[in-house]
Amino acid sequence: DVKVTQSSRYLVKRTGEKVFLECVQDMDHENMFWYRQDPGLGLRLIYFSYDVKMKEKGDIPEGYSVSREKKERFSLILESASTNQTSMYLCASSLSVRDLGADTQYFGPGTRLTVL
Amino acid sequence: GIQVEQSPPDLILQEGANSTLRCNFSDSVNNLQWFHQNPWGQLINLFYIPSGTKQNGRLSATTVATERYSLLYISSSQTTDSGVYFCAVDNFGNEKLTFGTGTRLTIIP
Repeated sequence: DVKVTQSSRYLVKRTGEKVFLECVQDMDHENMFWYRQDPGLGLRLIYFSYDVKMKEKGDIPEGYSVSREKKERFSLILESASTNQTSMYLCASSLSVRDLGADTQYFGPGTRLTVL
Repeated sequence: GIQVEQSPPDLILQEGANSTLRCNFSDSVNNLQWFHQNPWGQLINLFYIPSGTKQNGRLSATTVATERYSLLYISSSQTTDSGVYFCAVDNFGNEKLTFGTGTRLTIIP
């Protein structure tokens, strides 16, 4: 089974702090994604990555950056946390099957971040 | 960008009932997936179904791509089916999914 893990289930930070959220997958997937989930808004894509050191902006990248130095690890960075970044953050991965079409995405358990 | 609408937003049913959840999308899609998010927040992929019909136990899904909708059927509901069901689509072939806002299903014993 695919396993996607996230470094913390719950995190509390103060405004202005630099925050790192880590995601690791164990299935050698090429693609990795970071979403945030807010009530009434569903899941919104922040950033995604097709390969090591590759990154693409999603729908709401402002205030975030990412890092993918190794294939299995994708980090989301909040450079200076703000209260409007309080949310549930979900990481996902998928196998790239570009010649055949998209593959299913597998999600981690989520990190509930509160910024005070 | 593509719009994804799910209905109904909330559904409360007795255990044993059947249900149909709907997903409408505004453009042609390369990828459509249904997910279940359990009460603890974990998202599980149910179906990858850009077209056609699939079945997995008590769950089945049908996507009519030409009419831009997909249906998720749950038969003989159980309390463990409670949670939020999301439909997500990709219409550029770049594996970037756009999610609907979900249907919250509550199954009462």
